[in-house]
Amino acid sequence: QLQLQEAGPGLVKPSETLSLTCTVSGGSVSSTAYYWGWLRQPPGKGLEYIGSIYYSGSTYYNPSLESRITISVDTSDNQFSLKLQSVTAADTAVYYCARHDVNTGGLALLDSWGQGTLVSVSS
Amino acid sequence: QSVLTQPPSASGTPGQRVTISCSGSNSNIGGGTVNWYQQVPGTAPKILIYNNNQRPSGVPDRFSGSKSGTSASLAISGLQSDDEADYYCAAWDDSLNGDVVFGGGTRLTVL
Repeated sequence: QLQLQEAGPGLVKPSETLSLTCTVSGGSVSSTAYYWGWLRQPPGKGLEYIGSIYYSGSTYYNPSLESRITISVDTSDNQFSLKLQSVTAADTAVYYCARHDVNTGGLALLDSWGQGTLVSVSS
Repeated sequence: QSVLTQPPSASGTPGQRVTISCSGSNSNIGGGTVNWYQQVPGTAPKILIYNNNQRPSGVPDRFSGSKSGTSASLAISGLQSDDEADYYCAAWDDSLNGDVVFGGGTRLTVL
């Protein structure tokens, strides 16, 4: 049974860097069948795609966030990570990691999600 | 402002059939497939329909999807109280360098 678990600070100061890690169990980030992604949901609002990574390091980023995002993968620890620079209050959201089943439905098919973690941006 | 357009709310009584629409453009829905996600408040989204009309195992056949041109629809028949949730459509958008785009979500209320 695939499980994804987000981890990282729940509070980040404005202008600093938000860092989150997603640990994958019951599956491998080295699988050639999947991309691994990050999404977020501001309180009371809808879902927003952040970006995704393949085991090889190939990435897709949301164009509106691309200048501030870095997504990396660590195949030895079966994890992938998100860094979002220069955060503001507008970056306050529940952040989800998820698996993209690209072979079945492309990058818009997210077939497994972590439970999400709330990150607040405040001084 | 979401790239895909959904009605903010929908409602129905138990047993009824409800449909939720999702409108896009040639760069997203018109050029690819649509997926639907169900999110019970306080929980992570769950895939409900993929590739326009396919149901993952475990999703009841009360849920169905369709696509025509640049629009898609999710239909829920035999409405039940635990269908009360937010529903999101999603698609790949191939403008710029590519992006996963979502609708703004539709809150379904079972009266």
